[in-house]
Amino acid sequence: EPEVTQTPSHQVTQMGQEVILRCVPISNHLYFYWYRQILGQKVEFLVSFYNNEISEKSEIFDDQFSVERPDGSNFTLKIRSTKLEDSAMYFCASTGFPVAEQYFGPGTRLTVT
Amino acid sequence: TQLLEQSPQFLSIQEGENLTVYCNSSSVFSSLQWYRQEPGEGPVLLVTVVTGGEVKKLKRLTFQFGDARKDSSLHITAAQPGDTGLYLCAGPTLRFGGSNYKLTFGKGTLLTVNP
Repeated sequence: EPEVTQTPSHQVTQMGQEVILRCVPISNHLYFYWYRQILGQKVEFLVSFYNNEISEKSEIFDDQFSVERPDGSNFTLKIRSTKLEDSAMYFCASTGFPVAEQYFGPGTRLTVT
Repeated sequence: TQLLEQSPQFLSIQEGENLTVYCNSSSVFSSLQWYRQEPGEGPVLLVTVVTGGEVKKLKRLTFQFGDARKDSSLHITAAQPGDTGLYLCAGPTLRFGGSNYKLTFGKGTLLTVNP
């Protein structure tokens, strides 16, 4: 069964460093998302992406964040200068039709020290 | 902002018992999704309910969408240790003029089924 994959599974970085989280969505899906989950808290929407542009972003998704679909398969989330409070699980999701049914990857645990 | 409240927050039961968990909102949703999440993993989609009053069954799991599409419930019959996990409900919202949805999640119900 097709699934969303994410790499790395765990990333440790120092405050102020740049990180890139990678995702391979399900191959025939057209809509892509990033969510995050701080330990013990809700899953929160960060950004949605369609047709090579951002469709919507949350207040969390500030200028330090960017997304890209560099080729036909990968979808990346970049954090330019990480802060301690960026430590969280980051989930990529994708959807085809119906567009409300989103399929999530296993997540990348980001630890900022 | 649309919020989803889930109850109870924690539930610990013995194998073989039945249980119901709830997902409530003051807002109407076009559909609701139920996910299950294991520690350190991503949410796994269980079901989507779309029509008010709809009931969907997935083996021993029964999902119901409220008539007004503001609430949903998940009932598990004869729970097993393998049912242990965090059960999340999520509702899609569509920005005006937008083409794709974002999901708003509840905090989840952490279910533990003891052998």
